[in-house]
Amino acid sequence: AQTVTQSQPEMSVQEAETVTLSCTYDTSESDYYLFWYKQPPSRQMILVIRQEAYKQQNATENRFSVNFQKAAKSFSLKISDSQLGDAAMYFCAYRGRDNAGNMLTFGGGTRLMVKP
Amino acid sequence: DVKVTQSSRYLVKRTGEKVFLECVQDMDHENMFWYRQDPGLGLRLIYFSYDVKMKEKGDIPEGYSVSREKKERFSLILESASTNQTSMYLCASSPGQWNSPLHFGNGTRLTVT
Repeated sequence: AQTVTQSQPEMSVQEAETVTLSCTYDTSESDYYLFWYKQPPSRQMILVIRQEAYKQQNATENRFSVNFQKAAKSFSLKISDSQLGDAAMYFCAYRGRDNAGNMLTFGGGTRLMVKP
Repeated sequence: DVKVTQSSRYLVKRTGEKVFLECVQDMDHENMFWYRQDPGLGLRLIYFSYDVKMKEKGDIPEGYSVSREKKERFSLILESASTNQTSMYLCASSPGQWNSPLHFGNGTRLTVT
């Protein structure tokens, strides 16, 4: 079974600075996607970024980028120029082609606080 | 934009009650999911459905059942609510392609007293 681990329960960053959230996963599959979701206080889970395992190039979406290390099974999220609106729970998630029902497996989450 | 609507934002029920959590999506998605969210545990899959009347158990199905009579609606049922089912419940949907992201509702915070 696949597992996803987020080792940082809480992180804080100063506004306008950069922060990196860690995620590691365990799988025997070769074809899969990785996702980062953001859950603000409103509770609506929002997709931040996704990475296909076969793509060597790291995904980027505006201020959000990932560092995908396939051999190390690591998938960290970098937030540049942090804003107050970035404060939220962040979840790393895995979805594999062979996963029964194609379900998403989530990590335990990291609470990000942004200091003004 | 995909909209996933959960019928209740907050719900308080008594031990032993039968509880229905309703979820509706408006994008004709094949897949629908029910997750439970608890602090430090992330989201854990209770049940999912990949078609009308089809359902599969997730990681923690005990104490729950589901119903999908129509494509757009996926209901989670607690046959006899217990205090350890106090939690946040999130519904999600996705297209049938295996690499599609999930779209989530706003969650239902259920308290069982």
